[in-house]
Amino acid sequence: GAVVSQHPSWVICKSGTSVKIECRSLDFQATTMFWYRQFPKQSLMLMATSNEGSKATYEQGVEKDKFLINHASLTLSTLTVTSAHPEDSSFYICSARVTGLNQPQHFGDGTRLSIL
Amino acid sequence: DAKTTQPPSMDCAEGRAANLPCNHSTISGNEYVYWYRQIHSQGPQYIIHGLKNNETNEMASLIITEDRKSSTLILPHATLRDTAVYYCIVRAWNSGNTPLVFGKGTRLSVIA
Repeated sequence: GAVVSQHPSWVICKSGTSVKIECRSLDFQATTMFWYRQFPKQSLMLMATSNEGSKATYEQGVEKDKFLINHASLTLSTLTVTSAHPEDSSFYICSARVTGLNQPQHFGDGTRLSIL
Repeated sequence: DAKTTQPPSMDCAEGRAANLPCNHSTISGNEYVYWYRQIHSQGPQYIIHGLKNNETNEMASLIITEDRKSSTLILPHATLRDTAVYYCIVRAWNSGNTPLVFGKGTRLSVIA
């Protein structure tokens, strides 16, 4: 079945550092990918929709200059958390859907980001 | 997309069937019911989806009532590895590339 790969799975870094997370669709092309964030004991919250070859669409309250999204190819989207601070510590999950009606959305295994 | 209501938590004995209910009383005719689960510290995993007929795959069965206002996900022989948060999501078939929106789901604990 369709596989979404996310890397890294876990990162710890100092406050002020920028962190890049990669999301790849391994066996299908994804013109659109989604980025979610999940805090402890909460559900997934959509951050942004990433579109290949164009600008991402951000949800209300998500700072586009803080969370830079690049979707340069049909199989790769990246999320860069710029100048990360402890409050950015969270579980970040990417997702993509196989083209076609009623196709399910598939998810990566997430990236646990801890900012010290 | 229509809203769904799920119990916050459920327990199930290992080896028994786990029946997870979902209410979607405002579902529209063009909306499918999707089920996902999220095991701790992992991304959500697709389980099954259906429109109006019952569906079965290697993971689970989905039973949708005739009026489509509710559904039940059945894990026929629950194991400890089925402990997870289960999400029931309703989504129109022609939603294009709109993302899934997650509610709070049901936390299923499978007990030995």
